[in-house]
Amino acid sequence: AQKVTQAQTEISVVEKEDVTLDCVYETRDTTYYLFWYKQPPSGELVFLIRRNSFDEQNEISGRYSWNFQKSTSSFNFTITASQVVDSAVYFCALIQNNQGGKLIFGQGTELSVKP
Amino acid sequence: EAEVAQSPRYKITEKSQAVAFWCDPISGHATLYWYRQILGQGPELLVQFQDESVVDDSQLPKDRFSAERLKGVDSTLKIQPAELGDSAMYLCASSLDVNNPEAFFGQGTRLTVV
Repeated sequence: AQKVTQAQTEISVVEKEDVTLDCVYETRDTTYYLFWYKQPPSGELVFLIRRNSFDEQNEISGRYSWNFQKSTSSFNFTITASQVVDSAVYFCALIQNNQGGKLIFGQGTELSVKP
Repeated sequence: EAEVAQSPRYKITEKSQAVAFWCDPISGHATLYWYRQILGQGPELLVQFQDESVVDDSQLPKDRFSAERLKGVDSTLKIQPAELGDSAMYLCASSLDVNNPEAFFGQGTRLTVV
């Protein structure tokens, strides 16, 4: 069975602090995709990144970075020098190769960045 | 910038009434998804279309929910009759096709059943 676990329900930080959001996944497939989405209060899900299971290279995009480790089935997301605009709910998600695009989401982590 | 359009943004309906949501995917996207997101949880897939055909509706409560995508473009999700437990955010998403799984989401319809 496939599953995504985001153990941190809520995180609160002060602006300019670094913060890491954890994501652990379960799948029996050898080919899969992992995603992070941001959901601001307005409600839409904003795509942040996609990784496939064959690419363990870490990625950095501005203040955002992602650490993918197959050995621990984790795909963690770090925001460096957090800003108030980063306040949102962040979702980690999984697509198994044979599931035709169906996203399996974690429960989400609500990040609050205080000025 | 191309986006997924959904309407209405908010809907309040009484228990046992019928309600419908509309979604227009990004032009050229063959795959369309309807997800339901209960407050405090992650979205869960209700139904997936590839063009006009249903690919996965295993989690759709078919006794009261229906979905269609007649011409393979826009889609309608209907609930009849609505129940209190249907209160949730209904999110539509689209992707180029099942082999390009990067899904783009609309702003959602927030349904409140009273």
